[in-house]
Amino acid sequence: QKEVEQNSGPLSVPEGAIASLNCTYSDRGSQSFFWYRQYSGKSPELIMSIYSNGDKEDGRFTAQLNKASQYVSLLIRDSQPSDSATYLCAVKTSYDKVIFGPGTSLSVIP
Amino acid sequence: DAGVIQSPRHEVTEMGQEVTLRCKPISGHDYLFWYRQTMMRGLELLIYFNNNVPIDDSGMPEDRFSAKMPNASFSTLKIQPSEPRDSAVYFCASSGDLAPDTQYFGPGTRLTVL
Repeated sequence: QKEVEQNSGPLSVPEGAIASLNCTYSDRGSQSFFWYRQYSGKSPELIMSIYSNGDKEDGRFTAQLNKASQYVSLLIRDSQPSDSATYLCAVKTSYDKVIFGPGTSLSVIP
Repeated sequence: DAGVIQSPRHEVTEMGQEVTLRCKPISGHDYLFWYRQTMMRGLELLIYFNNNVPIDDSGMPEDRFSAKMPNASFSTLKIQPSEPRDSAVYFCASSGDLAPDTQYFGPGTRLTVL
């Protein structure tokens, strides 16, 4: 089992819809979770971090964490074509190492 | 702030040659990370430094890879000898002591080994 797994995608949603990106992790002792956005040919950019169970909202983005299920998700409301990118889930494990998932490619169709 | 600076942005070399990638972290940041990204393996942490000291190099693929951080504003990743399977985008990232998990990535170096 890979340490961090994500929907392989690509995920296509119409403009204005909600995009839902999912991530699971294997290390039950993980405490810190991150979502990065990476545009094609560019470097990853941190958009959300979450440390406690529940929801964390920042503008159109909501991160959700469920440590019991070892699951973290990112919701993008009112999706825009500019949200089209690859979204990387990253988990800081109990042995203090940040592991990135393979990423999910999102395409928002105008 | 200029952000994390990497050079060169693109490097094409032949198998067996030495390759040196360079990184200047954000001023004041105490952590520096080197990553490699490929389609097959995704984004992998190679090594990271704290206050110029290597903390975890378990991601360095083999002895052909070495990294140094001689001072707080400069780090190198060297591959000697290079092989075609080293072709990838290499990212450098840095973070500060107050938020060590908030990493800022540089633009990356695209390495092609022929």
